[in-house]
Amino acid sequence: NAGVTQTPKFQVLKTGQSMTLQCAQDMNHNSMYWYRQDPGMGLRLIYYSASEGTTDKGEVPNGYNVSRLNKREFSLRLESAAPSQTSVYFCASSERTGSLYEQYFGPGTRLTVT
Amino acid sequence: RKEVEQDPGPFNVPEGATVAFNCTYSNSASQSFFWYRQDCRKEPKLLMSVYSSGNEDGRFTAQLNRASQYISLLIRDSKLSDSATYLCAAVGGSYIPTFGRGTSLIVHP
Repeated sequence: NAGVTQTPKFQVLKTGQSMTLQCAQDMNHNSMYWYRQDPGMGLRLIYYSASEGTTDKGEVPNGYNVSRLNKREFSLRLESAAPSQTSVYFCASSERTGSLYEQYFGPGTRLTVT
Repeated sequence: RKEVEQDPGPFNVPEGATVAFNCTYSNSASQSFFWYRQDCRKEPKLLMSVYSSGNEDGRFTAQLNRASQYISLLIRDSKLSDSATYLCAAVGGSYIPTFGRGTSLIVHP
């Protein structure tokens, strides 16, 4: 049981290049999320998917697109990378258990845009 | 004003000390609360869910004060391995967690 996996672990892009960050979970969770984490800013939600077939914008969606490919996989695409998108990106999944909604995170992707 | 606020610290304590962190939330509709631990350059990992009646897991105790809108985390008998950043999270009606920016704890010998 791998939990939440992300690829790649590290990536360097030039301004204007595109890339897709991959995320998969094997916990059969309905909800999946993409966050970015910058020093002093905490975790900021980019997009989320409450269930297969749905996606919604979070706090900082500009410059990103997402695809919920199936229940397991949720990808994040940068169409034209900018230096401001240099960050650590975390994917997470969750399932509601009673009144609790605990999240489980992947190991992260460290992205540098030059 | 951020919805969930934490003192960034760092809290610098000796081994064996007791240390407590608070986290305030502004959304009175928040329904569930969590503490996560994040080690340097790693992902956040769930430490504890916070129940209305408070809960304890070994050396860790979490409390919720709805009237004053804060949650707390108490760590007793601190270990060197407790050094990390502790994130609190509040979940409201949308079921989307809002995270604080984290409190840094350094436990020294």
